[in-house]
Amino acid sequence: AQSVTQLDSHVSVSEGTPVLLRCNYSSSYSPSLFWYVQHPNKGLQLLLKYTSAATLVKGINGFEAEFKKSETSFHLTKPSAHMSDAAEYFCVVRATFNAGGTSYGKLTFGQGTILTVHP
Amino acid sequence: SQTIHQWPATLVQPVGSPLSLECTVEGTSNPNLYWYRQAAGRGLQLLFYSVGIGQISSEVPQNLSASRPQDRQFILSSKKLLLSDSGFYLCAWSRLAGWDNEQFFGPGTRLTVL
Repeated sequence: AQSVTQLDSHVSVSEGTPVLLRCNYSSSYSPSLFWYVQHPNKGLQLLLKYTSAATLVKGINGFEAEFKKSETSFHLTKPSAHMSDAAEYFCVVRATFNAGGTSYGKLTFGQGTILTVHP
Repeated sequence: SQTIHQWPATLVQPVGSPLSLECTVEGTSNPNLYWYRQAAGRGLQLLFYSVGIGQISSEVPQNLSASRPQDRQFILSSKKLLLSDSGFYLCAWSRLAGWDNEQFFGPGTRLTVL
């Protein structure tokens, strides 16, 4: 079984200050991990993904995340927040299943962290 | 390039009424298709997935059903809506082959059941 815990439901920062969104995961095998962002009334957009390559993953819009197996964490960071970063962020772990001879991925989402950026 | 469409974008329905949400994918063939629901204050939950026409698997027991009448069409339905069916419904697709298959999400449908 796998699960994801986002440690903060809300994070508030000032524009230009660093962002840290925390995520811990539980998985019985080497996971694939993702961060998605959802702006109000819009669909999900992939920020970055970790799939057992480099542990420090760089994504779009200046975000990055570090996979730490010993801590079972995959925290999302950005050095300097921008007003446009205000959104809800989801940490996601993926398991792969086989059905009908083909593989598909099941995503398990965290509860989400709402990021507010103040001027 | 591939695109995924969902409609309607928003929907307000009375309790006990039927539901049909549609999702279509363009620019790819034989995709895996998924329906997720995001309830207020909660993360996304996988409802259904499909690996081919007519092949539907349900992740959680519920008041909803799904169908895949065509390769790139995925429909979410209900005969009688419940208040608890309110939420944001997202359709997603991924490539059929390969384990490292990223899922791409549609714009979503916000359903309010009154």
